[in-house]
Amino acid sequence: DIQMTQSPSTLSASVGDRVTITCRASQSISSWLAWYQQKPGKAPKLLIYDASNLESGVPSRFSGTGSGTEFTLTISSLQPDDFATYYCQQYNSYSWTFGQGTKVEIK
Amino acid sequence: QVQLVQSGAEVKKPGASVKVSCKASGYSFTSYFMHWVRQAPGQGLEWMGMINPSVGSTTNAQKFQGRVTMIRDTSTSTVYMELSSLRSEDTAMYYCARVRGARPLASFDIWGQGTMVTVSS
Repeated sequence: DIQMTQSPSTLSASVGDRVTITCRASQSISSWLAWYQQKPGKAPKLLIYDASNLESGVPSRFSGTGSGTEFTLTISSLQPDDFATYYCQQYNSYSWTFGQGTKVEIK
Repeated sequence: QVQLVQSGAEVKKPGASVKVSCKASGYSFTSYFMHWVRQAPGQGLEWMGMINPSVGSTTNAQKFQGRVTMIRDTSTSTVYMELSSLRSEDTAMYYCARVRGARPLASFDIWGQGTMVTVSS
């Protein structure tokens, strides 16, 4: 299986900060990567698909870049609603895998 | 609107089986692959398997081979996930999730609300 490694595991930031989360794949996955946001007690929500495409309805402060094995999720100006856990997911093969998650906390 | 509604919480004893349902509405049920993902308390997301609602074919994670069964009922637009030989480590929230778009290798754009399964003697 393809392993997905996110960094950092926890991130402390303030409202208005620019935040970047990294996801690395154990082998090339082209651009077959998604980012999800999950809040406590809720199902994950799709933010970005195919590495850089913003899902409909998701604020434009979220953006994704990367291809191959290294990917980033950037929040340009952190808002109070953005404090949550973020997961990357690869779908390059018929064995979908997720990163371990990055929790964005209030500083 | 497009939504997936799952069955309610379950409490099972070790060794038992659990069957979770996921009813789809607001879209063409047979046009989108459906996945199951679980999340143990305080842990990350773990992919379990996928079903093609059109023909009923499945692909499961190797970890669950022989223990998980996924079926669909096109008459009610419902998919089911049954996990057998339950152990305490199977205590988790179980989600169904729809694939975004027509091809199977894609992200998940619609999620069910989750079904908590607790395995305890």
